Amino acid sequence: GAVVSQHPSWVICKSGTSVKIECRSLDFQATTMFWYRQFPKQSLMLMATSNEGSKATYEQGVEKDKFLINHASLTLSTLTVTSAHPEDSSFYICSATGGFNTGELFFGEGSRLTVL
Amino acid sequence: KQEVTQIPAALSVPEGENLVLNCSFTDSAIYNLQWFRQDPGKGLTSLLLIQSSQREQTSGRLNASLDKSSGRSTLYIAASQPGDSATYLCAVSDDNDMRFGAGTRLTVKP
Repeated sequence: GAVVSQHPSWVICKSGTSVKIECRSLDFQATTMFWYRQFPKQSLMLMATSNEGSKATYEQGVEKDKFLINHASLTLSTLTVTSAHPEDSSFYICSATGGFNTGELFFGEGSRLTVL
Repeated sequence: KQEVTQIPAALSVPEGENLVLNCSFTDSAIYNLQWFRQDPGKGLTSLLLIQSSQREQTSGRLNASLDKSSGRSTLYIAASQPGDSATYLCAVSDDNDMRFGAGTRLTVKP
C-alpha cells in the first residue's frame, strides 16, 4: 500500500518557540493532504486540508496564523505550530490521498508535541 | 453535518471470542467508510475500506459490513487475540471531508 511518513514522531519544545512537522508521501504523489489533531481519548479532529500549490483550507475554529500549513510539492506538506503554548500539546497526524479511485486515505505515524 | 458514533466506547473480551464493533452515521450520502486501528501513541492503520456501492469487505479475521440506508457499519473480528487490543476507529467520507467516530477501545485478555 501507499506509504506516508511523518517526522518527527515526537518533539518537546519550550513555550513561545515554533515547531515544524513534516508529512511525506513516499511512493505516490499526494494531491491532497490533511492535518488532524487528537486529544487524549478523543477522536481525530480535522484541522485543515491542503492541495499542492494552493493555500490550505482551515476548519472552523483553527487559527491559520497559529498553524501554518505548506504543501509546496506533491510529496511534502508541513505543519508549523507557531509560538507554541502548552495547550498546543497534542498528537498531530497527517493523511494523504493521491486521487486514487477508491478515495482511500493513507495516514502518517503521527507526531506527539509537548510544549513545556 | 455528518455525525459518527461508535458503540461501545470500550470492550473487554477473553481471547478467542468473536466480537462486533458498531459504527453509525447520520448522513447516508457517503463516498466510502473506513475502519482503522490505532495503537496507543501511534498513527492510524487502515484495516478495511468499503465503497458506498459495496456491502462488505473482508481481510483475514476481519469483516466489515455497510448498510448505507440505515447509516450503520459493523466490524466483525473473529477469534480475537491479545494482539488485537487497540482502539478501532471508523470514518466516513463524503465529497467534502472525512468524519471520525470517537473509537472503541478493545482489550483482549489472554
